[in-house]
Amino acid sequence: EAGVAQSPRYKIIEKRQSVAFWCNPISGHATLYWYQQILGQGPKLLIQFQNNGVVDDSQLPKDRFSAERLKGVDSTLKIQPAKLEDSAVYLCASSFAGKTEAFFGQGTRLTVV
Amino acid sequence: DAKTTQPNSMESNEEEPVHLPCNHSTISGTDYIHWYRQLPSQGPEYVIHGLTSNVNNRMASLAIAEDRKSSTLILHRATLRDAAVYYCILRDGRTYKYIFGTGTRLKVLA
Repeated sequence: EAGVAQSPRYKIIEKRQSVAFWCNPISGHATLYWYQQILGQGPKLLIQFQNNGVVDDSQLPKDRFSAERLKGVDSTLKIQPAKLEDSAVYLCASSFAGKTEAFFGQGTRLTVV
Repeated sequence: DAKTTQPNSMESNEEEPVHLPCNHSTISGTDYIHWYRQLPSQGPEYVIHGLTSNVNNRMASLAIAEDRKSSTLILHRATLRDAAVYYCILRDGRTYKYIFGTGTRLKVLA
């Protein structure tokens, strides 16, 4: 069974630039999560989708971050404009309707300089 | 969101059992107790979960206190590959939201 795919694996951008991350969840998984993990900390939930609807985005900095999940399958997370403090690993996870365990991708490591 | 409290770090000798504690005094009736671990440069990996009863799988055992305010992840024989950060998470049974804490960094000594 293919896992959660994320791209790119690494990205370096200058502050005030924009960046986008892509996630393809496991086939059939209706629930999709985006997390931000700053070095030395646990993952922080940014947004949770159920199919193409948002379940929770209370921790998403909406002035600069946006996410979408068109057609309820793959998803993109965008940052515009990026700040130095956005340097982190961005993790995508999916689960079967949220009822079973979540499977995580390897993440995208973002460095903002 | 219900929170969990774990020790920052623990050490174990190789091939000995490891008991990783977790306190979750504000757990609600619909929260499931999940454990994940994260190896360096990888995404978190599911270990085990439970609601009220103790659970066993090929990776570990989960012991849940009768009042559900604490739990213990048990690795029966630690190996060097078990060195990771272990997260105890309360997954909301209605929204399926996972809120991670800071986790316990497990060091396994050869």
